[in-house]
Amino acid sequence: EAGVVQSPRYKIIEKKQPVAFWCNPISGHNTLYWYLQNLGQGPELLIRYENEEAVDDSQLPKDRFSAERLKGVDSTLKIQPAELGDSAVYLCASSTPPGTRNNEQFFGPGTRLTVL
Amino acid sequence: AQSVTQLDSHVSVSEGTPVLLRCNYSSSYSPSLFWYVQHPNKGLQLLLKYTSAATLVKGINGFEAEFKKSETSFHLTKPSAHMSDAAEYFCVVSDGNTDKLIFGTGTRLQVFP
Repeated sequence: EAGVVQSPRYKIIEKKQPVAFWCNPISGHNTLYWYLQNLGQGPELLIRYENEEAVDDSQLPKDRFSAERLKGVDSTLKIQPAELGDSAVYLCASSTPPGTRNNEQFFGPGTRLTVL
Repeated sequence: AQSVTQLDSHVSVSEGTPVLLRCNYSSSYSPSLFWYVQHPNKGLQLLLKYTSAATLVKGINGFEAEFKKSETSFHLTKPSAHMSDAAEYFCVVSDGNTDKLIFGTGTRLQVFP
């Protein structure tokens, strides 16, 4: 069974440019997460979806970040415009809904963003 | 609020010697605790989890962790390190209501031949 798929794996852009990351969760996983991982730090949650609904986006910087999960499957995270401080790894994870049995979060390999 | 503190940013061991990665937690109620491992250019992988059952939790690849409420600790151990264990390890606590994961800052494990 395929795991969580993310693309691209690496992205280099100049500041003020837009960028988008794509995530395909494990089949049947209704819950999808986007995390930000700065160098030398643990991941921090940006947004959590239950199907197509964003149920926790309190940590998402809404002035420049946006996300969508149309049809409750794939998801896209966008930054516009990108800033130097956005250089980091963006991780996607998926799971069965909170409270369900054995709902482990499975992580994708991440997208490493470098903003020049 | 829940939080975890990983006491060592780097740990170096020789192959075949024991591994100890230390983690203390803070939680206002009985927590769910996890250890994840992150190899370079790979996704985070769950090693083990504690969810108020047995205090000694066995995970994959020979790792185990013991939940000690009196010490608010959840240290990760392995009797004998292997070269393939070299990676970044994260101690994680979960918000029990939403399953939101709160990660520590990580411990980089180096294994020398």
